Amino acid sequence: LAKTTQPISMDSYEGQEVNITCSHNNIATNDYITWYQQFPSQGPRFIIQGYKTKVTNEVASLFIPADRKSSTLSLPRVSLSDTAVYYCLVGRRNSGNTPLVFGKGTRLSVIA
Amino acid sequence: GAGVSQSPSNKVTEKGKDVELRCDPISGHTALYWYRQRLGQGLEFLIYFQGNSAPDKSGLPSDRFSAERTGESVSTLTIQRTQQEDSAVYLCASSHSLVVLQETQYFGPGTRLLVL
Repeated sequence: LAKTTQPISMDSYEGQEVNITCSHNNIATNDYITWYQQFPSQGPRFIIQGYKTKVTNEVASLFIPADRKSSTLSLPRVSLSDTAVYYCLVGRRNSGNTPLVFGKGTRLSVIA
Repeated sequence: GAGVSQSPSNKVTEKGKDVELRCDPISGHTALYWYRQRLGQGLEFLIYFQGNSAPDKSGLPSDRFSAERTGESVSTLTIQRTQQEDSAVYLCASSHSLVVLQETQYFGPGTRLLVL
């Protein structure tokens, strides 16, 4: 499985854009990049997934450069409720037997 | 059901006792996963099921841990002779399929286990 590296923690003020970068230098051709969000005392939940270039949904944007060795989760105009741990996962399609593995994630603290 | 449910939500037990944790996945989801999360830590993968089969049990921390799934539905995680280091939140997730690995995993609220 492709190993991922993320910052352990980040702080931001309300209303700012937050960018969390994940490194995955040994990403394989068939790997997709997925981000999950975990609020305190809850299980993680899916935020966004992408393969290359840019993906945007109602929650976030995901930027993936051409070499795909990193990805950046962008949260526009964060609020206090965005305080959570964000996990970057890289997983292989159709390998059949190996599920995704969560790392330690990035703990985002949003300050008023 | 509407989502993944887990029971009990909280469990306090004495060292040496056995505990059984239950997970009810979303109906129709063939893949089911168990994770452990210690306080302030990331998720630690324990075991997954594709249908009723668990192809890889190497993530289980010790032979005191076991899991089973029946009817491609409910799964139970059993911890025998609990130790204090077993204290953690045990999370269960399910997804449509394991074949397409990028299937979204839907998590339950977890069972908070405290071993005294």
